[in-house]
Amino acid sequence: SQKIEQNSEALNIQEGKTATLTCNYTNYSPAYLQWYRQDPGRGPVFLLLIRENEKEKRKERLKVTFDTTLKQSLFHITASQPADSATYLCAYKSGYSTLTFGKGTMLLVSP
Amino acid sequence: GAVVSQHPSRVICKSGTSVKIECRSLDFQATTMFWYRQFPKQSLMLMATSNEGSKATYEQGVEKDKFLINHASLTLSTLTVTSAHPEDSSFYICSAIGGGGYQETQYFGPGTRLLVL
Repeated sequence: SQKIEQNSEALNIQEGKTATLTCNYTNYSPAYLQWYRQDPGRGPVFLLLIRENEKEKRKERLKVTFDTTLKQSLFHITASQPADSATYLCAYKSGYSTLTFGKGTMLLVSP
Repeated sequence: GAVVSQHPSRVICKSGTSVKIECRSLDFQATTMFWYRQFPKQSLMLMATSNEGSKATYEQGVEKDKFLINHASLTLSTLTVTSAHPEDSSFYICSAIGGGGYQETQYFGPGTRLLVL
């Protein structure tokens, strides 16, 4: 069955640097991948969606890539700020299937 | 953007009682709503999917008689945890998708923290 994997270890970076988070899937390419931000005790907030025929998508300081050869999506935050500290979730959906989430990667941006 | 609300945000109840959680889409019509449960440091686990006016579809291992879902209108779904026990304590989150530009993306509510004593 399809699995989605995110690095369970927290990512610590310094303010101003670019944070890069990884999402890997194991089998077939999903129709699209979505990235969400989740703060403690809150529901996920939608950030970006990228389709399998798109290589890159940008939104302000955020950039997402989708590499079907590597079976991987990368999520970048440029010029990171302490306010970007949160858990970032990757989720896939294929066809009419439901959205399946990875466990998320916690990002900590130090001032 | 699409806004989904949940009420209450936090609830504490005694073991054996029932708790109802409401999920509302505020600025769009939600053709489908989803209920998730999240334990500490774990991923969101889908419990059930509901379409307006029809019975919910439950994921494997989720007891439909314990977690009653009603999706009576295009803007409201409710989850009732019946005869709650301490092991039902968790973070319950709903999400919704709708027509138009809201079809592909699930928009999530802020979640409800349930503590069963």
